[in-house]
Amino acid sequence: DVKVTQSSRYLVKRTGEKVFLECVQDMDHENMFWYRQDPGLGLRLIYFSYDVKMKEKGDIPEGYSVSREKKERFSLILESASTNQTSMYLCASRHNSAFEAFFGQGTRLTVV
Amino acid sequence: TQLLEQSPQFLSIQEGENLTVYCNSSSVFSSLQWYRQEPGEGPVLLVTVVTGGEVKKLKRLTFQFGDARKDSSLHITAAQPGDTGLYLCAGYDKIIFGKGTRLHILP
Repeated sequence: DVKVTQSSRYLVKRTGEKVFLECVQDMDHENMFWYRQDPGLGLRLIYFSYDVKMKEKGDIPEGYSVSREKKERFSLILESASTNQTSMYLCASRHNSAFEAFFGQGTRLTVV
Repeated sequence: TQLLEQSPQFLSIQEGENLTVYCNSSSVFSSLQWYRQEPGEGPVLLVTVVTGGEVKKLKRLTFQFGDARKDSSLHITAAQPGDTGLYLCAGYDKIIFGKGTRLHILP
C-alpha cells in the first residue's frame, strides 16, 4: 500500500522557534510537495521538489525553507515560527510521469 | 500564477438531489484533477481529465473537462450522505488547488 507519512499529527510551538516538519514516502516517487490548508483559502503550495537536492518555490514560500537530501524525505522548515503560520500542513508525493499525488494525513501546527 | 476558482464554496442539499460543482480558470491546463478530502485526512484522487471535452464517470459522479481545457465540472446524481466531504479541483503540473467545495448531504 502506498504511504506518505508525516512525523506528527499535532504540534504546538512557541513564536520564534525553529520548526521541522518531516515527510517520508515509501513509493520511490521523484516529486514531493508541501502545502498549507486554511479555512476559506484552500490548499496553497509552499514548496515542491522534482527530485533529490532540487527545490522550487510555490505560491507562498515566505517564512519557509525545505530540504530534500534523500529521495524519500522532504522536510519543511519554519526558520522562526510566527502565529500566522498556525495551520494544517500537508505533504504529497507523486511519480514523475503520473498524475496522481498521494497525501499524508497532515500536521496541525499551532504557534503560540 | 495559475488560479482555479471553484463554485459554490458550500452546498447543503437533501439526499437524492442532483448537484454540480464547477472549477474555472483563465489558464489552460494540460489536465485537471478532482480530489475528495475527509476531515482529518489528506485529499484522495477521484479522477484525472486530460483531453478537452472528455467525460469520465465514477458510479454516480460525472466529471467533464471543458473543450478549451480551462474548466471542469463534477456532477453528482442522486446524492447520498456518504458523498459529504470537501471536493477539490487541481491543475497539473505543480498541483495548484482551487479553494474547494464543501458538500453536505442531508439524510
